[in-house]
Amino acid sequence: KAGVTQTPRYLIKTRGQQVTLSCSPISGHRSVSWYQQTPGQGLQFLFEYFSETQRNKGNFPGRFSGRQFSNSRSEMNVSTLELGDSALYLCASSFRTGAGSPLHFGNGTRLTVT
Amino acid sequence: AQKVTQAQTEISVVEKEDVTLDCVYETRDTTYYLFWYKQPPSGELVFLIRRNSFDEQNEISGRYSWNFQKSTSSFNFTITASQVVDSAVYFCALSEASGQGAQKLVFGQGTRLTINP
Repeated sequence: KAGVTQTPRYLIKTRGQQVTLSCSPISGHRSVSWYQQTPGQGLQFLFEYFSETQRNKGNFPGRFSGRQFSNSRSEMNVSTLELGDSALYLCASSFRTGAGSPLHFGNGTRLTVT
Repeated sequence: AQKVTQAQTEISVVEKEDVTLDCVYETRDTTYYLFWYKQPPSGELVFLIRRNSFDEQNEISGRYSWNFQKSTSSFNFTITASQVVDSAVYFCALSEASGQGAQKLVFGQGTRLTINP
């Protein structure tokens, strides 16, 4: 069974640009979550989608948005990039939503904003 | 508010030593879940274990064991006879059941474990 796939692996963008990251969950998984990892703030929850609906959102500005498609694939978008958005963005999937569901993570997309 | 503290930022031991990674959590919920994840250099977080707040039984899986104590709000992780392949960053995480029915993990800052040959 293929794991969670994130594309691209690496991205370099300029301040002010926007970026879209993609995530394909494990087959059969309907919940997709996104996390940001930085050396200073650690791992922080961005949002979760289940059956194309956003279930929960972390404490991030509106420049961060996401969506989920009918095949459970998900994208997240960051507009008007800032230097502080440089981070490893991790996508995770699980079969169902709910606090007890273990998350299965992808390798991440490393975004560098210059 | 929920919070996870991993006081040990870095640990370095020699192969075959036992090592314990500490995790202390804070939550007001009576129903919650605790997790440990391993992050190797490749970047992905690998799920190791989940515990719910009503199950304080310790768990052993090969060289790995976990000690959950509600009285001290701790969920510690021990690696017995450590190996170089255990080198990674380990994260403890908490998820509250009351969180709008959705998943939201709150992670500790992580402990970087280095096993030297």
